[in-house]
Amino acid sequence: DTGVSQDPRHKITKRGQNVTFRCDPISEHNRLYWYRQTLGQGPEFLTYFQNEAQLEKSRLLSDRFSAERPKGSFSTLEIQRTEQGDSAMYLCASSLRPSGRFSLNEQFFGPGTRLTVL
Amino acid sequence: AQSVTQLDSHVSVSEGTPVLLRCNYSSSYSPSLFWYVQHPNKGLQLLLKYTSAATLVKGINGFEAEFKKSETSFHLTKPSAHMSDAAEYFCVVSGSGNYGQNFVFGPGTRLSVLP
Repeated sequence: DTGVSQDPRHKITKRGQNVTFRCDPISEHNRLYWYRQTLGQGPEFLTYFQNEAQLEKSRLLSDRFSAERPKGSFSTLEIQRTEQGDSAMYLCASSLRPSGRFSLNEQFFGPGTRLTVL
Repeated sequence: AQSVTQLDSHVSVSEGTPVLLRCNYSSSYSPSLFWYVQHPNKGLQLLLKYTSAATLVKGINGFEAEFKKSETSFHLTKPSAHMSDAAEYFCVVSGSGNYGQNFVFGPGTRLSVLP
């Protein structure tokens, strides 16, 4: 399967614990995105990388959140000192870099990691 | 900033009848627009995209959408609904970050298809 993969698919943790999620994008894609989706809502943008550079972070990404893409391939999203409000589906997507400044290529989404904070 | 409004949170149609899912957007420049579908317990899948070529865009599974700049709309249609079309549908506009390079999702429209 050459699609976007995410691990784990489900994570249950206690409030105050740290969690880390992994995303493996489609191999030739240089863009990687993280989104958060809560029940009944559309995904909300968190951050994105072009190769290993983190180019943009949403205001939703508090200081407890950190994302890395050290070699421009897989990415990790870490949440420190989890809170119940962090419970959500965390989605990863990848794409090719667009040709124009304001035109975007299709993003391919992974199945997501569902986080439950007790 | 970019934004998306999906006018109906839930649409219910009978199998074999037309589908119309409405989307209006706000953008300070010519946007890229997308429709994604999310089936239960499955990942988001692209249905179609508009990137300033033809205003009528055809997608997978018989879906199409028409970009109307004057109305800032990008409604999704299908002539005849199938049971397998039941899912959540998201209208997406390209965002206005530092490089205008992220997606802004609408709240979604849940489509139910009745036998």
